[in-house]
Amino acid sequence: DAGVIQSPRHEVTEMGQEVTLRCKPISGHNSLFWYRQTMMRGLELLIYFNNNVPIDDSGMPEDRFSAKMPNASFSTLKIQPSEPRDSAVYFCASSLAPNQPQHFGDGTRLSIL
Amino acid sequence: DAKTTQPPSMDCAEGRAANLPCNHSTISGNEYVYWYRQIHSQGPQYIIHGLKNNETNEMASLIITEDRKSSTLILPHATLRDTAVYYCIVRASPIRDNYGQNFVFGPGTRLSVLP
Repeated sequence: DAGVIQSPRHEVTEMGQEVTLRCKPISGHNSLFWYRQTMMRGLELLIYFNNNVPIDDSGMPEDRFSAKMPNASFSTLKIQPSEPRDSAVYFCASSLAPNQPQHFGDGTRLSIL
Repeated sequence: DAKTTQPPSMDCAEGRAANLPCNHSTISGNEYVYWYRQIHSQGPQYIIHGLKNNETNEMASLIITEDRKSSTLILPHATLRDTAVYYCIVRASPIRDNYGQNFVFGPGTRLSVLP
């Protein structure tokens, strides 16, 4: 069984550049979640989708962040323009339904210089 | 939101049972207790969840007190690979179109399994 697949695993870029993180949820899962993890703030929920529709984006830090889910098997999280404070590990998770256990990918380690 | 309290760290000898406590004294009647763990450099991994009955699966057992104000995650025979941060989360299960609460991960308990 393929789990949640995230790409890239590591990303290093200069501030001001656009960053796109990608996620492929587990097949058949209807809910998808984006999290950010830092030492200071721990693991924070940014946004989640149910049936490809954004349900709660209250965790998105500011307008520089956007997320899309064009179909059931793909989602992107975009940061434009990126800033050094965006450096973190970004996780994608999926679940059969919003109330079901979430299965996480291995994350994208993002460093903004 | 109900909050959880966990000890920041614990040690356990390899091969022994690891008992990780969690206090959730303000838990509501419709809130489940979930446990996840995060091994270094990996994403969080679902372990187990329950409402009021004790639960067991291939990874662990979950013991919830009768008043539901606390619970214990038991790893029956801890191995070095169980060294991780363990998160206890309480969350309501949505009814119909209510999507319920989001998962809120606190600092967790850092479990070190020692050889």
